[in-house]
Amino acid sequence: GQQVMQIPQYQHVQEGEDFTTYCNSSTTLSNIQWYKQRPGGHPVFLIQLVKSGEVKKQKRLTFQFGEAKKNSSLHITATQTTDVGTYFCAGRAGSYQLTFGKGTKLSVIP
Amino acid sequence: NAGVTQTPKFQVLKTGQSMTLQCAQDMNHEYMSWYRQDPGMGLRLIHYSVGAGITDQGEVPNGYNVSRSTTEDFPLRLLSAAPSQTSVYFCASSPWAGGGNEQFFGPGTRLTVL
Repeated sequence: GQQVMQIPQYQHVQEGEDFTTYCNSSTTLSNIQWYKQRPGGHPVFLIQLVKSGEVKKQKRLTFQFGEAKKNSSLHITATQTTDVGTYFCAGRAGSYQLTFGKGTKLSVIP
Repeated sequence: NAGVTQTPKFQVLKTGQSMTLQCAQDMNHEYMSWYRQDPGMGLRLIHYSVGAGITDQGEVPNGYNVSRSTTEDFPLRLLSAAPSQTSVYFCASSPWAGGGNEQFFGPGTRLTVL
């Protein structure tokens, strides 16, 4: 079945440093979504990427979808303590099912 | 709109007991799904529904049943609880089944099976 790998599992950064999490799929994806889960909370949708090579920005967050539509990344510039949480990618390969990566847990040291 | 609601928030069961986790959405969403979240495992799909009367299995369906008699409700039944089912359960919905569209998650149910 479809697998979505996400690295790193954990990332500790000093406030103000940049952060990147990477997502790789075993199959070509029709689209990929990113979610953020705050400690003790539920996943909240951030963005969806659909096109090959697509790049989208949300303030300090930059999302990329690979040319082959098998990988994606989320980059946060100048992290803040409000960025703390776990970031998940979730890929869809043409079915109704969304397959989540295991997530990257971000800690920000003030 | 209340969005996606789940009850109960917390539940403790003994091995062998059965129970139903409730999920409801008031957004007239076509697609609903159940996930379980375990430490280090991400979110794994249990069952999903593309509309009233239609359900299908996800990645980890064993030990769980679902039904979708209305658009609004999508309960998850544990038939005979086992310690391996200790987890946080999230219900999610999205406007339609096909294509990509964001999923709205409920607040979760934290289940412990002793």
